[in-house]
Amino acid sequence: AQSVTQPDIHITVSEGASLELRCNYSYGATPYLFWYVQSPGQGLQLLLKYFSGDTLVQGIKGFEAEFKRSQSSFNLRKPSVHWSDAAEYFCAVGAGKGSQGNLIFGKGTKLSVKP
Amino acid sequence: SQTIHQWPATLVQPVGSPLSLECTVEGTSNPNLYWYRQAAGRGLQLLFYSVGIGQISSEVPQNLSASRPQDRQFILSSKKLLLSDSGFYLCAWSSLGPNGNSPLHFGNGTRLTVT
Repeated sequence: AQSVTQPDIHITVSEGASLELRCNYSYGATPYLFWYVQSPGQGLQLLLKYFSGDTLVQGIKGFEAEFKRSQSSFNLRKPSVHWSDAAEYFCAVGAGKGSQGNLIFGKGTKLSVKP
Repeated sequence: SQTIHQWPATLVQPVGSPLSLECTVEGTSNPNLYWYRQAAGRGLQLLFYSVGIGQISSEVPQNLSASRPQDRQFILSSKKLLLSDSGFYLCAWSSLGPNGNSPLHFGNGTRLTVT
């Protein structure tokens, strides 16, 4: 069965520093991968997605993610973090054909930004 | 453009009382619709999804139910709430792509507290 692991529950970075959030997935075929961001008390907003093609995908708000099949990873990166990036980030994998579009989510990584 | 509305934003209900949460989507037709529950530290749990009017699939046995009386309306209900029903409920929609996966688009959620 598909699964997603986000090893880091909470990360704190300084404003202006680089960021990498880790995501590992388990899936038998080529995965469909997503990163979402959630501000407190809000819904989830799609940052970026990977379906096929170039393994480095660009998203909104200056985020990017790299798909590495050999490592079963889809890590999210940003070169310079802004205070407004403080939020919770979720990695997700498509549950596959027949799943009617359901996504399997990781448990999230909470990002705090120090001034 | 497509929008998704979810209400109410917050709700406090006593144990044993009924529940009705509503979600509507605008700007798209025949969407897949989903109800997720988010509990602290546990990520997102899929409760129900629907691929069409009157078609409901349940992922988790519980005292909740869902209905889809119209193409773009999805309702989450309970006849008698339990304390364990407290959580953050998210409605989402997607357009089912040819390969069975596409991004989910979320509403802003409903914070339910059962007292």
